[in-house]
Amino acid sequence: TQLLEQSPQFLSIQEGENLTVYCNSSSVFSSLQWYRQEPGEGPVLLVTVVTGGEVKKLKRLTFQFGDARKDSSLHITAAQPGDTGLYLCAGARYTGTASKLTFGTGTRLQVTL
Amino acid sequence: DAGITQSPRHKVTETGTPVTLRCHQTENHRYMYWYRQDPGHGLRLIHYSYGVKDTDKGEVSDGYSVSRSKTEDFLLTLESATSSQTSVYFCATRLGLGLATEAFFGQGTRLTVV
Repeated sequence: TQLLEQSPQFLSIQEGENLTVYCNSSSVFSSLQWYRQEPGEGPVLLVTVVTGGEVKKLKRLTFQFGDARKDSSLHITAAQPGDTGLYLCAGARYTGTASKLTFGTGTRLQVTL
Repeated sequence: DAGITQSPRHKVTETGTPVTLRCHQTENHRYMYWYRQDPGHGLRLIHYSYGVKDTDKGEVSDGYSVSRSKTEDFLLTLESATSSQTSVYFCATRLGLGLATEAFFGQGTRLTVV
């Protein structure tokens, strides 16, 4: 059982469409990050949200952290083929002396012309 | 780019043999992590380290051990490889405990156990 569940698992849309990816957990996280991964590469950070209810915008991408800091969403406006990739949310929790970074199950997005 | 190098990049091994994967970083980051990536599971944490000789288990640690004798190196050992350990393994590092601290990843090691 994974702590962070993402939905949908797969998403295939056409250029110009809007989409939302969800990241849900029953656990509270100190912060939540979103990463994008290209084939054959490691994930790369897109954004970090820290405060419950926080909304951050990165060009056409809007990220929101739930009020209770258990869930997050990623909304893409007017998707482009360059948005294609695997999107991963990641929650950070302190264990007393260390910081565990737990990743979600991933959402694979394909944007076609 | 945090200068993270994983080796080997690809490996095929037989069931029952021990395998060691290496992660080397040049940025002096304190925290290092080993993940495995499988379809439908995203990245799952195997073990992590919060300093030299300081390690702890993640969610899927059974069958794996780690060692960190130097800040720059974090080794992952599959004690007796099984087919269920066929996966892509990623190493990651983080500078510190800050809430917004970014994780930097290596390019992954594709391991096949036959």
